[in-house]
Amino acid sequence: GEDVEQSLFLSVREGDSSVINCTYTDSSSTYLYWYKQEPGAGLQLLTYIFSNMDMKQDQRLTVLLNKKDKHLSLRIADTQTGDSAIYFCAESALGSARQLTFGSGTQLTVLP
Amino acid sequence: GAVVSQHPSRVICKSGTSVKIECRSLDFQATTMFWYRQFPKQSLMLMATSNEGSKATYEQGVEKDKFLINHASLTLSTLTVTSAHPEDSSFYICSAREGNSNQPQHFGDGTRLSIL
Repeated sequence: GEDVEQSLFLSVREGDSSVINCTYTDSSSTYLYWYKQEPGAGLQLLTYIFSNMDMKQDQRLTVLLNKKDKHLSLRIADTQTGDSAIYFCAESALGSARQLTFGSGTQLTVLP
Repeated sequence: GAVVSQHPSRVICKSGTSVKIECRSLDFQATTMFWYRQFPKQSLMLMATSNEGSKATYEQGVEKDKFLINHASLTLSTLTVTSAHPEDSSFYICSAREGNSNQPQHFGDGTRLSIL
């Protein structure tokens, strides 16, 4: 079955860039997503990328996709304390429901 | 845009009670809604997928008589946890997707259910 993996923790200093990595196994993945979850809240869609794209940038967020290596990354420029949260990588593949397969989530801690 | 409202945000009730959670898409029509369960410090576990006007499709291991899902309109889905027990205590999150399956899922803020 599909598998999505992320490292569990990342700490960065305020103002630095954060890079959160994700790998997936399903070669038929067509969309890859990054969601942010703050404590006690639901998931906020940050950005998503179609599998025929290599890069997508939206303000402080840059998503890089290496389809050959099945590797996805999310770069947050000028990381702020408000960026501290859990970041989930997710993929969806061809199928009638296009359900999401989530990674375990990466806890990003921004240090002052 | 793409706002999903989930209510209530927190429920505490006694064992044996049935609890209904609502999920509404406020500014779009949700052809498909999803219900997830999240255990502490874990990822989301998909419970069921529901399409408006049809029966929900439950994931393996999820009791459909225990977790009743209704998706009667394009903007509302409900999850009813029947005869809840302490082991049903969890964080339940819904998501909604507009139109075809190429669209992303948008999530509600979740419901913290605590059964005493």
